[in-house]
Amino acid sequence: GEDVEQSLFLSVREGDSSVINCTYTDSSSTYLYWYKQEPGAGLQLLTYIFSNMDMKQDQRLTVLLNKKDKHLSLRIADTQTGDSAIYFCAERRAGSARQLTFGSGTQLTVLP
Amino acid sequence: DGGITQSPKYLFRKEGQNVTLSCEQNLNHDAMYWYRQDPGQGLRLIYYSQIVNDFQKGDIAEGYSVSREKKESFPLTVTSAQKNPTAFYLCASSITAPDEKLFFGSGTQLSVL
Repeated sequence: GEDVEQSLFLSVREGDSSVINCTYTDSSSTYLYWYKQEPGAGLQLLTYIFSNMDMKQDQRLTVLLNKKDKHLSLRIADTQTGDSAIYFCAERRAGSARQLTFGSGTQLTVLP
Repeated sequence: DGGITQSPKYLFRKEGQNVTLSCEQNLNHDAMYWYRQDPGQGLRLIYYSQIVNDFQKGDIAEGYSVSREKKESFPLTVTSAQKNPTAFYLCASSITAPDEKLFFGSGTQLSVL
């Protein structure tokens, strides 16, 4: 099964907040990331958080990390149609030289 | 402009044919990676390379091969042994650092004729 899990779909109205959730299983994770993928394109790093932090805010983006529950979320304030994309969470495990483990992605659809 | 360039954007493979996907970066990154993306699934690691002339298998290396003769280049060959090659292939690179941020190319869509 997946080591990093996300729900597949999320729809929100333009102007509302979006919250995309992710759970992971490896307690040794050091960094956790959120990437955005637009149709037919590569992934773009949105933000990331170190595992000893609870929260990180960057303009409209807020990342919350609950290390006890191994739960990561991405909140997008004032969601716009340009935010429609697939959002991937990913974890980097301590001592791993082989990069990241990705979730299956959440398709965010912003409705007018 | 610094970045990662993948080519071609679209590629078609005939039965029994090997095809090579190109990945070039001018970011001076040490590490490079190849991922496969199937619809509704996350990215799966095919191969990665941390330094020139060295590379390691990822989770789904069977039917693929790579080389890393130059720091800037990490081509992926999809061989005829890969029986289900239709997918979106993504190349990425990173510097060697604790926060290991990956930078991605724009991808190659491979389809079988």
